[in-house]
Amino acid sequence: NAGVTQTPKFRILKIGQSMTLQCAQDMNHNYMYWYRQDPGMGLKLIYYSVGAGITDKGEVPNGYNVSRSTTEDFPLRLELAAPSQTSVYFCASSYLGSSGNTIYFGEGSWLTVV
Amino acid sequence: GENVEQHPSTLSVQEGDSAVIKCTYSDSASNYFPWYKQELGKGPQLIIDIRSNVGEKKDQRIAVTLNKTAKHFSLHITETQPEDSAVYFCAASSYSGGSNYKLTFGKGTLLTVNP
Repeated sequence: NAGVTQTPKFRILKIGQSMTLQCAQDMNHNYMYWYRQDPGMGLKLIYYSVGAGITDKGEVPNGYNVSRSTTEDFPLRLELAAPSQTSVYFCASSYLGSSGNTIYFGEGSWLTVV
Repeated sequence: GENVEQHPSTLSVQEGDSAVIKCTYSDSASNYFPWYKQELGKGPQLIIDIRSNVGEKKDQRIAVTLNKTAKHFSLHITETQPEDSAVYFCAASSYSGGSNYKLTFGKGTLLTVNP
């Protein structure tokens, strides 16, 4: 079991560029999440999905898009990168929702927008 | 929505001492409170959790207490070791509509255990 796998680990983008952060889980979890972590600010939910074909916005969705075509994959797309999107991004998954179900996090993707 | 406050933001202890991190939450309907440990360069990892029908839970050197009336919960680490050094996050799970619950995180506590 690899758990939650994120790629790339590090990326530098120029303002206005687009990119996709990949996320895959092999635990057959229904729920998947994308969080961003800024220094001293904890974890903020960007988007989440309760199953294949279903996605919903979290606290900070602006500037991002997601899709969930399969149970395993949940990519996060940045269409027009802005300096405010410099952050560490974590993909996560859980079998059911977050009430009492362990959320497993990936190792993180460090993104810098210059 | 739910708001989780976590204190202190940094905590430095000597090896062998105890460490306590405190969190308060605003939504009285929140019913699940996990604690995550994040080591440098890694993703957060669940270390202990507690449900609202329980007042205290222990797992070896770590324990969590919950006071529903006061809406606060705490993480206690006894006999701290250098490998306990990490950022610790508390979180509270509140109902967000339909069959969904939302996990709101505190801002984290950087714990340093000095040998």
